[in-house]
Amino acid sequence: AQTVTQSQPEMSVQEAETVTLSCTYDTSESDYYLFWYKQPPSRQMILVIRQEAYKQQNATENRFSVNFQKAAKSFSLKISDSQLGDAAMYFCAYRSAYSGAGSYQLTFGKGTKLSVIP
Amino acid sequence: ETGVTQTPRHLVMGMTNKKSLKCEQHLGHNAMYWYKQSAKKPLELMFVYNFKEQTENNSVPSRFSPECPNSSHLFLHLHTLQPEDSALYLCASSVGTQGFYEQYFGPGTRLTVT
Repeated sequence: AQTVTQSQPEMSVQEAETVTLSCTYDTSESDYYLFWYKQPPSRQMILVIRQEAYKQQNATENRFSVNFQKAAKSFSLKISDSQLGDAAMYFCAYRSAYSGAGSYQLTFGKGTKLSVIP
Repeated sequence: ETGVTQTPRHLVMGMTNKKSLKCEQHLGHNAMYWYKQSAKKPLELMFVYNFKEQTENNSVPSRFSPECPNSSHLFLHLHTLQPEDSALYLCASSVGTQGFYEQYFGPGTRLTVT
């Protein structure tokens, strides 16, 4: 079974600064997808960024980028130019690329609560 | 309404009550999911439906009973719950169940079992 670990329960960053959230995962599969989801205090979870394991290039979405290290099974999220609206819980998640029972599951980490200081 | 909606947003029920949670997606997706989010625990997948057929039941107790009458609606029927069932219940949908499809989440129903 896959596991996802987020070792930082809470982080804080000064507005306009850069912060990196850590995520490691454990899997025996070679093909999979990794995600970062954001859950603001209003609770609607939204996708921030996605990475396909077969792609070596790190995904980027505006101010959000990832550092994907497949051999190390590490998938960190970097937020540049942090804004007050970035304050939220951030969840790292894993999903298998294979079909079949058990593969539909998004396996989540426990989350990192990010605070942005004005 | 757009995206994924859930009703009610808050629910308090006794252990002997029967209630239902409702989820509706307005995205034209074919797959729908129920997740349980408890404090200090990772989100747990409960059920998966694809084209109205249940494709996954993640060892959920029978006091939780899902229903998917069509691809746009998903219900979670609750009966004789326990206090440890208190949690945020999230519904999600996606185009399909393959891994590369993004899941879109609803705002959740905050359930308190007394």
